[in-house]
Amino acid sequence: DAKTTQPNSMESNEEEPVHLPCNHSTISGTDYIHWYRQLPSQGPEYVIHGLTSNVNNRMASLAIAEDRKSSTLILHRATLRDAAVYYCILRDTASARQLTFGSGTQLTVLP
Amino acid sequence: DTEVTQTPKHLVMGMTNKKSLKCEQHMGHRAMYWYKQKAKKPPELMFVYSYEKLSINESVPSRFSPECPNSSLLNLHLHALQPEDSALYLCASRSQGTNEKLFFGSGTQLSVL
Repeated sequence: DAKTTQPNSMESNEEEPVHLPCNHSTISGTDYIHWYRQLPSQGPEYVIHGLTSNVNNRMASLAIAEDRKSSTLILHRATLRDAAVYYCILRDTASARQLTFGSGTQLTVLP
Repeated sequence: DTEVTQTPKHLVMGMTNKKSLKCEQHMGHRAMYWYKQKAKKPPELMFVYSYEKLSINESVPSRFSPECPNSSLLNLHLHALQPEDSALYLCASRSQGTNEKLFFGSGTQLSVL
């Protein structure tokens, strides 16, 4: 299975943009890049996903490198409620392989 | 309704007890999952049901017994657990297609004494 590598932790100031990196150098052509986050005492929640092109939604933006070996989740204005563990996950919809969580990045947002 | 509901939220059980965890969704999703999460670790996949049939068992010990009575319900039956089985148990359902997403419940925090 293709693996992802993320920094263990990152800090951001409130109301500033946050760029969360993810490396996936062994990504295959059919792997979608998914991001989930887990707030304290809650189950993970979907943030965004993409295949090749950059994606935007109301929560975040996903920037995917041209070679697809890395991606960046962008929170445009961090709030205290964005403090969570962010997981970058590869999902191959062409196979039965399931979403396997890596170790994730603990984001701390400073007031 | 985009919720996955898990009950109970907390459960304490002895090693000789039998208990069940329940998960419910009404989004029409036909794939449902059980994950186990230890403190400060990522969720680990346990079981996957697809169209009410068990499709993936990640070598989970038999003291954990999943059941999918219908497309909206998923149960996890627990028997003779060990203290190291104490964890957060998460249920999820998956929407289909290229826009697929997992929807998670808030989990059941299980303590085995």
